[in-house]
Amino acid sequence: DGGITQSPKYLFRKEGQNVTLSCEQNLNHDAMYWYRQDPGQGLRLIYYSQIVNDFQKGDIAEGYSVSREKKESFPLTVTSAQKNPTAFYLCASSKGQGMFAEAFFGQGTRLTVV
Amino acid sequence: GIQVEQSPPDLILQEGANSTLRCNFSDSVNNLQWFHQNPWGQLINLFYIPSGTKQNGRLSATTVATERYSLLYISSSQTTDSGVYFCAVGPGGYNKLIFGAGTRLAVHP
Repeated sequence: DGGITQSPKYLFRKEGQNVTLSCEQNLNHDAMYWYRQDPGQGLRLIYYSQIVNDFQKGDIAEGYSVSREKKESFPLTVTSAQKNPTAFYLCASSKGQGMFAEAFFGQGTRLTVV
Repeated sequence: GIQVEQSPPDLILQEGANSTLRCNFSDSVNNLQWFHQNPWGQLINLFYIPSGTKQNGRLSATTVATERYSLLYISSSQTTDSGVYFCAVGPGGYNKLIFGAGTRLAVHP
């Protein structure tokens, strides 16, 4: 089935460690996005990529890094510089090189710092 | 940047009731979507509606881009409609989707 796959579903991290969240899509979409959601809040944009080997910072990029080496993959690394990383992380993709097309989301990764 | 405001923030309904959720945005947009977030956190696409009116079963949506608002109508609500409804907009000239804070809906039997 076509879709967006995020893994793992649940992730626990010790303070001071970097962790990488996976996002893979087989929809042949050009654009991919990472969002963060805190309890009871809306979604905030971390990073987005319109094309392979290119990405831009969103509204809350500090403490995060991404890469876009393949069209179907857009991994997110939560670094030790992120002061409050416990949150729900959602990956999205859309057709074309802009958000003018409909965006679809993966099932999310819940990250907890222990 | 663009502001997205959703109202009401919380809504409690009896099963079978109708409701209207509103999304106001502060600038022109090229994209507007409505999502339903289920209890497991999954965002379900309801409507892609930068302008005009669409219907899908008991749900319908209208966006009046010139007046910068969108409405989501839920008719004959069911307990499975419970969850959070998000409006998200794509500002003109920017390749990103900005979310409102959501409307939390609880439908009781």
